[in-house]
Amino acid sequence: GAVVSQHPSRVICKSGTSVKIECRSLDFQATTMFWYRQFPKQSLMLMATSNEGSKATYEQGVEKDKFLINHASLTLSTLTVTSAHPEDSSFYICSARGAMNTEAFFGQGTRLTVV
Amino acid sequence: KQEVTQIPAALSVPEGENLVLNCSFTDSAIYNLQWFRQDPGKGLTSLLLIQSSQREQTSGRLNASLDKSSGRSTLYIAASQPGDSATYLCAGGDYKLSFGAGTTVTVRA
Repeated sequence: GAVVSQHPSRVICKSGTSVKIECRSLDFQATTMFWYRQFPKQSLMLMATSNEGSKATYEQGVEKDKFLINHASLTLSTLTVTSAHPEDSSFYICSARGAMNTEAFFGQGTRLTVV
Repeated sequence: KQEVTQIPAALSVPEGENLVLNCSFTDSAIYNLQWFRQDPGKGLTSLLLIQSSQREQTSGRLNASLDKSSGRSTLYIAASQPGDSATYLCAGGDYKLSFGAGTTVTVRA
């Protein structure tokens, strides 16, 4: 299947700082990328959907000013957690897909720990 | 909104036994149904995609079926191996995927 690369895989940051997570589709053009958050032993919660060149659409309850998403090209989307706090500690996973009827491919995930 | 449920939450079987994982969804207008595998602390690996016009997909020891009228999908894993131990997630939807909570499988050697 297609490859989605997510970086970094782990990051520890101090409370109040910002962290950027990158998601790249390596061998296909991702029309849309999705950002998820996963709490321990729970399923994936969709945070936002981003289309190349346009503003991201955030799910209800997700603060757009806190979780900044940029989708500058068909192969790269970034999620920036601004002014991180310990409650933002979680596993963040990105997903990419081309057309609507195609498979969704996922990155390896980023374990964020805010201390 | 599509609600996806997976039962059981956990399953433990001896090596060689066939696995049957169930997934149910509330909206029969589901577009695609996709099965994933997740190892601890890792991302998701796509296993099978059943598109809206299909009823079944097979890959090696894996077979997934989709019955829209009953709102169910089933993932079969034949002759399970310890390496099959993982959490299996199903997800359905049109462009956005709604995920079940997963079934954590342990295959005992």
